[in-house]
Amino acid sequence: IAGITQAPTSQILAAGRRMTLRCTQDMRHNAMYWYRQDLGLGLRLIHYSNTAGTTGKGEVPDGYSVSRANTDDFPLTLASAVPSQTSVYFCASSPRAENTGELFFGEGSRLTVL
Amino acid sequence: GQNIDQPTEMTATEGAIVQINCTYQTSGFNGLFWYQQHAGEAPTFLSYNVLDGLEEKGRFSSFLSRSKGYSYLLLKELQMKDSASYLCAVMDSNYQLIWGAGTKLIIKP
Repeated sequence: IAGITQAPTSQILAAGRRMTLRCTQDMRHNAMYWYRQDLGLGLRLIHYSNTAGTTGKGEVPDGYSVSRANTDDFPLTLASAVPSQTSVYFCASSPRAENTGELFFGEGSRLTVL
Repeated sequence: GQNIDQPTEMTATEGAIVQINCTYQTSGFNGLFWYQQHAGEAPTFLSYNVLDGLEEKGRFSSFLSRSKGYSYLLLKELQMKDSASYLCAVMDSNYQLIWGAGTKLIIKP
């Protein structure tokens, strides 16, 4: 089934550990995004990539890094996890490099940092 | 600052009509979007408005008034499967989406 695959779906992590959330899409979409979703708050953009080889910072980039080596993959890395990074993380994509607002989301990765 | 406001929770009856409001204050405007998110699942795109007026898509309609910074999502003939959170998002002048916290809609038989 075409779409976006995220892994892991759920993870409990000790503070200070390094963690990479994986995101792969098979729709050949140009743009990809990482959001975090916290109770009572709207989705917040962490990092984005308009095309392979380029990345940009979103609203809440601190403590996170991304790479976009090819069209399909857009991993999100937490270099040294902290409890405030406990959240549900969504990867999303859109067909065009410019943001049209119509995003396709993965199923999410629920991360708990203790 | 940029702000999107929508009610936290609403309750409606199966078969009825419900209107979910969204007001916004953003730096510029390049469109307003509604997404549906079932509990524990990914958001999915519902509708897009960039001009004033009503956009109808089956049982769902979305309205926009740019002068008032206001939109609503209208759901008709409610079904139990419509129980979900509905997210309002506005694209600002930098073509970034600003998201509301979402409205949890509870449908009762």
